Amino acid sequence: DTGVSQDPRHKITKRGQNVTFRCDPISEHNRLYWYRQTLGQGPEFLTYFQNEAQLEKSRLLSDRFSAERPKGSFSTLEIQRTEQGDSAMYLCASSLLQGQDIFGNTIYFGEGSWLTVV
Amino acid sequence: EDQVTQSPEALRLQEGESSSLNCSYTVSGLRGLFWYRQDPGKGPEFLFTLYSAGEEKEKERLKATLTKKESFLHITAPKPEDSATYLCAVQGRGGADGLTFGKGTHLIIQP
Repeated sequence: DTGVSQDPRHKITKRGQNVTFRCDPISEHNRLYWYRQTLGQGPEFLTYFQNEAQLEKSRLLSDRFSAERPKGSFSTLEIQRTEQGDSAMYLCASSLLQGQDIFGNTIYFGEGSWLTVV
Repeated sequence: EDQVTQSPEALRLQEGESSSLNCSYTVSGLRGLFWYRQDPGKGPEFLFTLYSAGEEKEKERLKATLTKKESFLHITAPKPEDSATYLCAVQGRGGADGLTFGKGTHLIIQP
């Protein structure tokens, strides 16, 4: 078990460029989440997948953001036409949901991908 | 809408000086309350999950407790390596499956 892996760890891009982040979840985890965190704030939920299906998207996820999880394994988060307000740490997390979704399932985070838009 | 408020925002303690961090929450049907530790520039590290009022969990110098409205993270005889930001989050039955986080408590333990 190598934990949740994210790549790249740091990205500096010019405003208007597209960027893509990759996340490899803990093996056999069927749920994968994307969060965004800015300085002094807690992580904010963006979207999540169960296997390959994207089940929920936050209002924070504008049309410039798109996430995929082909084959239910790794996931990518793409930001098109980046803006300075997109500068943040993008966190990927995963969990294993077994049986009925009655109790909270523990979510494990990766180290994050820092995005700076200049 | 689920909400989490953590206090204090920052706390500076001497090594060995015990204290508690507070997490107040409102949620539509609590499925779980989570505590995470976050070091600068890194992702949150899972500490505890609490499911129902009255539940307590311990790990080394940390103990988490839960009531119907708040949770406490008690830190006993802390060491400098306990310095970090401690995040509280809730998972409710309504709305997004994702966690709703507070802003965290920045804890500094001075030797």
